[in-house]
Amino acid sequence: NAGVTQTPKFQVLKTGQSMTLQCAQDMNHNSMYWYRQDPGMGLRLIYYSASEGTTDKGEVPNGYNVSRLNKREFSLRLESAAPSQTSVYFCASSDARDRSIEAFFGQGTRLTVV
Amino acid sequence: RKEVEQDPGPFNVPEGATVAFNCTYSNSASQSFFWYRQDCRKEPKLLMSVYSSGNEDGRFTAQLNRASQYISLLIRDSKLSDSATYLCVVIYNQGGKLIFGQGTELSVKP
Repeated sequence: NAGVTQTPKFQVLKTGQSMTLQCAQDMNHNSMYWYRQDPGMGLRLIYYSASEGTTDKGEVPNGYNVSRLNKREFSLRLESAAPSQTSVYFCASSDARDRSIEAFFGQGTRLTVV
Repeated sequence: RKEVEQDPGPFNVPEGATVAFNCTYSNSASQSFFWYRQDCRKEPKLLMSVYSSGNEDGRFTAQLNRASQYISLLIRDSKLSDSATYLCVVIYNQGGKLIFGQGTELSVKP
């Protein structure tokens, strides 16, 4: 059981380049999330998807787009990367039908924009 | 003001000490509450859920005060292996959005 799989694990981009972070979960969860983590800031929600076909903005959505391709997959796209987007990105999933259960996280993507 | 706020860290304590973390949340519609643990910038993992009546898991005790909108985590008899960042997490009623506090770093010294 793989849980939540994120790719890539590391990436270096030049300013202005674009890229897509991929996330897939095999737990049949309805809800999926993208967070970024910066020193001293905790995890900040970028976008989330409560169910297939729906997406909503979180705290820090500017500069990002998302796609909930199907129930398993939730991708995060940087159209024109900026140095301020250097961060560690985590994808997570949970079952919104039962909010008492835990969220599971991918191993993170360490992104550097130069 | 952040929706979920935690005590600033780091907390540096000797082995065997008791340490308490607090977390406040601003949205009274919040439904579920958790403490997560994160080691060395790895992915966060669930430490324990927080129930209205309070709950205990070994050396860890979590409490919820809905009236004052805060949750707490108490660690007794700290071990070196407890060194990590502890994250308070709140889930809102609508859409199940998970909101994290900024985390509190704990360092347990010999």
